[in-house]
Amino acid sequence: GESVGLHLPTLSVQEGDNSIINCAYSNSASDYFIWYKQESGKGPQFIIDIRSNMDKRQGQRVTVLLNKTVKHLSLQIAATQPGDSAVYFCAENGAGNNRKLIWGLGTSLAVNP
Amino acid sequence: NAGVTQTPKFQVLKTGQSMTLQCAQDMNHEYMSWYRQDPGMGLRLIHYSVGAGITDQGEVPNGYNVSRSTTEDFPLRLLSAAPSQTSVYFCASSYGRGQFFGPGTRLTVL
Repeated sequence: GESVGLHLPTLSVQEGDNSIINCAYSNSASDYFIWYKQESGKGPQFIIDIRSNMDKRQGQRVTVLLNKTVKHLSLQIAATQPGDSAVYFCAENGAGNNRKLIWGLGTSLAVNP
Repeated sequence: NAGVTQTPKFQVLKTGQSMTLQCAQDMNHEYMSWYRQDPGMGLRLIHYSVGAGITDQGEVPNGYNVSRSTTEDFPLRLLSAAPSQTSVYFCASSYGRGQFFGPGTRLTVL
């Protein structure tokens, strides 16, 4: 079946370094992708999204890259801070249905001071 | 705005008991949904609603009922709780781009 997966289940970085979290998706019909951050004991929080007609989108300290050729999505966090420690999820909208997202399993990011 | 609120935060049930998880949002979002989150399995969609009076099943709907009588409220009912329903439950609402999540309800079924 179709799925969204993550290359690395855990990522450990030094404070101040850049972080890259990767996500693979298999549904070529997906045209909308979202990254969420979930801190311990809290609900997921929207970070950034991208549509399939784009290959890059930037936010505050975050950049999402989309490579449709290899069905790959990445989240780059610049100058990683201790407050960035969380689990990061990618999600896709499957067959174009923004109401029924398909979620990845998550990557845990640990920032070392 | 309070955003998305959920009650209770924690609940322990015995097998066979029923209960309702409450969810409310004050952002006038048409779309609302319920997810469960289990270790190593990410978030799985239980039920969703695209507006008052309209609900539909998600990926794992068995054992759960929902209703949407108002735009603001979207309760999730467990009819006869089972240990397999031990999980963290999240309610979310959306205006179409991204979803806003509540703080979650941690449910344990003994």
